[in-house]
Amino acid sequence: QVQLQQWGAGLLKPSETLSLTCALYGGSFSPYYWSWIRQPPGKGLEWIGEISDRGSTNYNPSLMSRVTTSVDTSKNQVSLELTSVTAADTAVYYCARRRNASRGWYFDLWGGGTLVTVSS
Amino acid sequence: DVVMTQSPDSLAVSLGERATINCKSSQSVLYSSNNKDYLAWYQQKPGQPPKLLIFWASTRGSGVPDRFSGSGSGTDFTLTISSLQAEDVAVYYCQQYYNSPWTFGRGTRVQVK
Repeated sequence: QVQLQQWGAGLLKPSETLSLTCALYGGSFSPYYWSWIRQPPGKGLEWIGEISDRGSTNYNPSLMSRVTTSVDTSKNQVSLELTSVTAADTAVYYCARRRNASRGWYFDLWGGGTLVTVSS
Repeated sequence: DVVMTQSPDSLAVSLGERATINCKSSQSVLYSSNNKDYLAWYQQKPGQPPKLLIFWASTRGSGVPDRFSGSGSGTDFTLTISSLQAEDVAVYYCQQYYNSPWTFGRGTRVQVK
């Protein structure tokens, strides 16, 4: 069964760096893009950015200055770093898969989500 | 960015009745080269990640019951639940994957009347 498992620190203080990892089990790591999507409590979904199995990245301009993604193909893992967090970054963070296509593709596999709370 | 506008924000439907959710994109998501609409629908139940329901505007995902259907093209799309079941209570999101940044609607909450 193909699944994405996520982990990372759930409680941060303002100005700290959010760090999350997502691992793929039971499936192929390519040819896909691996996205990060977040959802503030009680609110909608915001796409943060993505990285391909080959390391190509694509970020939401609204967060680009604070986001870094990385990939470790030997472990089938991708990671997200978001710097200088504030309370506005409090959200459930999801990793999700989309096919690497010439244009976009839908998200067909999602991780279970990690709640990250930013509080002093 | 392509702005996705969903309506209504919420609706309550009796069991067995039809539920209709609308989604409008700020620009066309129809790619002329392949005549496909780059529009997906997701279902999210409390405490769970979103689940893919519909892609290419009208193709049901794996295992999705046929009471769920998607329609529309260009900028206007509809998700229809033909006969609402108790397990369909959820928030539904549309999403465009035509242009990055990929964007979602704000969601429509479906409840039982």
